[in-house]
Amino acid sequence: AQSVAQPEDQVNVAEGNPLTVKCTYSVSGNPYLFWYVQYPNRGLQFLLKYITGDNLVKGSYGFEAEFNKSQTSFHLKKPSALVSDSALYFCAVRDDRYGNKLVFGAGTILRVKS
Amino acid sequence: SAVISQKPSRDICQRGTSLTIQCQVDSQVTMMFWYRQQPGQSLTLIATANQGSEATYESGFVIDKFPISRPNLTFSTLTVSNMSPEDSSIYLCSVGSAGALYEQYFGPGTRLTVT
Repeated sequence: AQSVAQPEDQVNVAEGNPLTVKCTYSVSGNPYLFWYVQYPNRGLQFLLKYITGDNLVKGSYGFEAEFNKSQTSFHLKKPSALVSDSALYFCAVRDDRYGNKLVFGAGTILRVKS
Repeated sequence: SAVISQKPSRDICQRGTSLTIQCQVDSQVTMMFWYRQQPGQSLTLIATANQGSEATYESGFVIDKFPISRPNLTFSTLTVSNMSPEDSSIYLCSVGSAGALYEQYFGPGTRLTVT
């Protein structure tokens, strides 16, 4: 079965600095990987996905993520953080051997301070 | 992406009662799913809502507790039956497009508190 680990409960970064939110995964088949963001009292918003192709994928709001098969990682990155990026971020994986089921990580709170 | 709405947005219910949550999508979608997000925790898939057939439930979730309907390709309901305080959660529906490679889009969620 698939699983996702987000090793950091919280990431703190100063505005204007680069940010990284870490994610590692485990699947038996090929991984389909996703990042979502959740703002307070709101649903999840899709940020980006990796299905196949280039290891560096670009998404909404200037975010990008790098797929690393050897390290089974899919870290979320942004070159310059904004205070408005402060939110809860979820990494999710779908194993192509197990149909449409998405498994989510525990989530990482990102706090960007001005 | 599809526009998804949920009703109610929040509710406070008494122990032992049931609540039905509605999920409406502005376009026809192949896949609809129901998730639970317990306080301070991640999302857990409850079931896949299948149009025209019984929902497919994940381990730990049963139809008697979480009956689901999906009468057409734009609408689904989730009922939380015989509620207890442990059912206090955010319930989210999500949708996916057809094909093997897709992302899911989520509704705004229903915040349920059981007293």
